[in-house]
Amino acid sequence: SQTIHQWPATLVQPVGSPLSLECTVEGTSNPNLYWYRQAAGRGLQLLFYSVGIGQISSEVPQNLSASRPQDRQFILSSKKLLLSDSGFYLCAWSAPAQDPRTYEQYFGPGTRLTVT
Amino acid sequence: AQKVTQAQTEISVVEKEDVTLDCVYETRDTTYYLFWYKQPPSGELVFLIRRNSFDEQNEISGRYSWNFQKSTSSFNFTITASQVVDSAVYFCALDDTDKLIFGTGTRLQVFP
Repeated sequence: SQTIHQWPATLVQPVGSPLSLECTVEGTSNPNLYWYRQAAGRGLQLLFYSVGIGQISSEVPQNLSASRPQDRQFILSSKKLLLSDSGFYLCAWSAPAQDPRTYEQYFGPGTRLTVT
Repeated sequence: AQKVTQAQTEISVVEKEDVTLDCVYETRDTTYYLFWYKQPPSGELVFLIRRNSFDEQNEISGRYSWNFQKSTSSFNFTITASQVVDSAVYFCALDDTDKLIFGTGTRLQVFP
């Protein structure tokens, strides 16, 4: 069965510090991968998605970036955090095209980031 | 434009009451998929259901049921005999090529 991991679970970082959040998926190949952010009490905002290694689509221009160095690894980064970057970051995966389950997304446990 | 609207921001019920969460969508596609997710206090989103646009049969899974009506562009979710464990934020979503468009969510509080 497939599992998705995210770390760290919680993070407190000062303004201006760098950020690296990691997401890995097990039990599937060539998944689509997604990064979402959820501000406190708000809905989900899609930040990035990737349909393959090195292929990243950005939904919202901001000081965050994403990379996919391996098939099942998705990394969210920032060089300098802003207060507005605080939130709950969720990674998700979906099956690749041609798979009947391609439309469902399955979410990781999330990382709660507080920028101070 | 692809859009999902969940007009109910928060709903409070007492245990054993039935509750319906509304979802209205807009899409330019003739074939599409709709979803419901549950986000308990722990934060992780849990996939509940996927519905194809060409299948308008209502679906029931235990205490959960979904009413898909293409004519009104709605995909409503009903919990029968609600329980405290149903307390969560529920999101409706619509597929848009490689990604999902989520509604803003409805927070359901079930009181004992």
